[in-house]
Amino acid sequence: QQQVKQSPQSLIVQKGGIPIINCAYENTAFDYFPWYQQFPGKGPALLIAIRPDVSEKKEGRFTISFNKSAKQFSLHIMDSQPGDSATYFCAATMTTGGAGNMLTFGGGTRLMVKP
Amino acid sequence: DAGITQSPRHKVTETGTPVTLRCHQTENHRYMYWYRQDPGHGLRLIHYSYGVKDTDKGEVSDGYSVSRSKTEDFLLTLESATSSQTSVYFCATRGYYQETQYFGPGTRLLVL
Repeated sequence: QQQVKQSPQSLIVQKGGIPIINCAYENTAFDYFPWYQQFPGKGPALLIAIRPDVSEKKEGRFTISFNKSAKQFSLHIMDSQPGDSATYFCAATMTTGGAGNMLTFGGGTRLMVKP
Repeated sequence: DAGITQSPRHKVTETGTPVTLRCHQTENHRYMYWYRQDPGHGLRLIHYSYGVKDTDKGEVSDGYSVSRSKTEDFLLTLESATSSQTSVYFCATRGYYQETQYFGPGTRLLVL
């Protein structure tokens, strides 16, 4: 049972566009929500993360929006560039769960930014 | 990749043979994880370790075993590989006071 649902599975935008990737979770005990970026042939790398006590977090061109009541969060990439073409994964975990902070991942979104 | 290496990086094996994948870290992180990545499923946790000789099962542990005899090494063993275990395997580590998991470069395994 996938506890984090991610959409869309793939996304194509033009350079300068603002791709938006959405995730929804079920477990209200989750308290840490990271996004990972993965390039072909590489391992996932942490991009940005948020806790549910804030509704938005920005780091450079990347923004997470968080809606605790709806149990949804999303990644926005401002002024997207061809170098942003990658697969993006949302994830969630309970940092106080005592079970090693296991991450539950969404299914991934393959983003292509056309020049 | 935060001081994480995985070996081998690529492996082709036959159904029924044992396979061991190795994860080595130089960060002295307490926690180590093994994930598999399959299209449409994201990454799914196989096993994890919270210290030397301390391991536990993840979401998709059937057919896999792990061992951790040293802080820096975490081994994943497929006792008798099956075609359904064809996947890309990632190791990850996390420090005791950290929230972030750091991933290795992955091992691509093909079971024929």
